[in-house]
Amino acid sequence: DSGVTQTPKHLITATGQRVTLRCSPRSGDLSVYWYQQSLDQGLQFLIQYYNGEERAKGNILERFSAQQFPDLHSELNLSSLELGDSALYFCASSVAAGVTYEQYFGPGTRLTVT
Amino acid sequence: GENVEQHPSTLSVQEGDSAVIKCTYSDSASNYFPWYKQELGKRPQLIIDIRSNVGEKKDQRIAVTLNKTAKHFSLHITETQPEDSAVYFCAANGSTGFQKLVFGTGTRLLVSP
Repeated sequence: DSGVTQTPKHLITATGQRVTLRCSPRSGDLSVYWYQQSLDQGLQFLIQYYNGEERAKGNILERFSAQQFPDLHSELNLSSLELGDSALYFCASSVAAGVTYEQYFGPGTRLTVT
Repeated sequence: GENVEQHPSTLSVQEGDSAVIKCTYSDSASNYFPWYKQELGKRPQLIIDIRSNVGEKKDQRIAVTLNKTAKHFSLHITETQPEDSAVYFCAANGSTGFQKLVFGTGTRLLVSP
């Protein structure tokens, strides 16, 4: 157990819908990262927050957005869902903002869009 | 941006053999190289990492080597066991803000008893 929690574990929804994925970092970690894992794209970095502020952006679609709250938990919002958005979504956390700090992954949320 | 290539995509070994997985990266400014193990349906688990100021790091049966000149790093697993069977990912931090990890495409390791 990495200490990073994610809810829900599974999510099944229809195209066009909007969902929210939640992540709580390890105790003491200030930085949260979101990744998407699909069979054809592998593990792709989406976005990073540090202490409530966005720090880095990756291949995140405009339909997706995220935020980190004062209690340091983070939410990833996915809207206008398409079939291709079906994937495993992981969040990871680290102590600080630099990537040379180890990132620990949560158990993931499996999103299925039908 | 950073690009990480990983080989082989699959690797089958007998229990007790050694396994080697190789990665190359494109950005010479990268300075952090972690390796993750992912079992089916589970989270990626950090197993070892190396920073650019060292050439080798060991932790029991696993070791990682880094060749900065060649922009190449490798994972070595000795005395493999069936429980080592998983997908292994290498990664490197990108030079753009050093804030993200770029992952290789993964190696599926199968250790047969």
